[in-house]
Amino acid sequence: GIQVEQSPPDLILQEGANSTLRCNFSDSVNNLQWFHQNPWGQLINLFYIPSGTKQNGRLSATTVATERYSLLYISSSQTTDSGVYFCAVLRDDKIIFGKGTRLHILP
Amino acid sequence: NAGVTQTPKFQVLKTGQSMTLQCAQDMNHNSMYWYRQDPGMGLRLIYYSASEGTTDKGEVPNGYNVSRLNKREFSLRLESAAPSQTSVYFCASSISSGNTIYFGEGSWLTVV
Repeated sequence: GIQVEQSPPDLILQEGANSTLRCNFSDSVNNLQWFHQNPWGQLINLFYIPSGTKQNGRLSATTVATERYSLLYISSSQTTDSGVYFCAVLRDDKIIFGKGTRLHILP
Repeated sequence: NAGVTQTPKFQVLKTGQSMTLQCAQDMNHNSMYWYRQDPGMGLRLIYYSASEGTTDKGEVPNGYNVSRLNKREFSLRLESAAPSQTSVYFCASSISSGNTIYFGEGSWLTVV
């Protein structure tokens, strides 16, 4: 099956720093989504981004489907950005998740 | 505005017991999913239902069964629970398999 790899697995940053999270996938996909899981376990959809670039406030995402990767940018990090970030890809009606990047933002 | 609702939120089972996790969505979505989340493993797909009347195996279906009762409801059954099934279970739905998915709040299951 398709492999979804996220990097880095863990990231610790000071409040105000910028970060880039990466998602690589092993085969062509129908779409890609980014999620944030907060410390209470709630999963929130951030972006639906099969290709191109989208921005939402301090967050933006870029997917280059032909090169099989996506990037999530977080600028001016806040402590509320802490949690785990997942990318998920759709192939053959199955939505497959990567193992996530755990982000800690220190005050 | 309920979205995706899962019950129960917490459950402790003894090895060999059976139970059903219930999931309902009120967004008129066609596709529904069950995932399990274990430390360091991300979310792994157990079963999915691309549309009412269909169900298919995901990445880790062994030990589970599902029922798409109607368009709103998608249940997950553990027939004979094992300690390896201790996990957090998430139900999710999307308007179709190619669209944004929305998650329930999770069900914490412990098998002793």
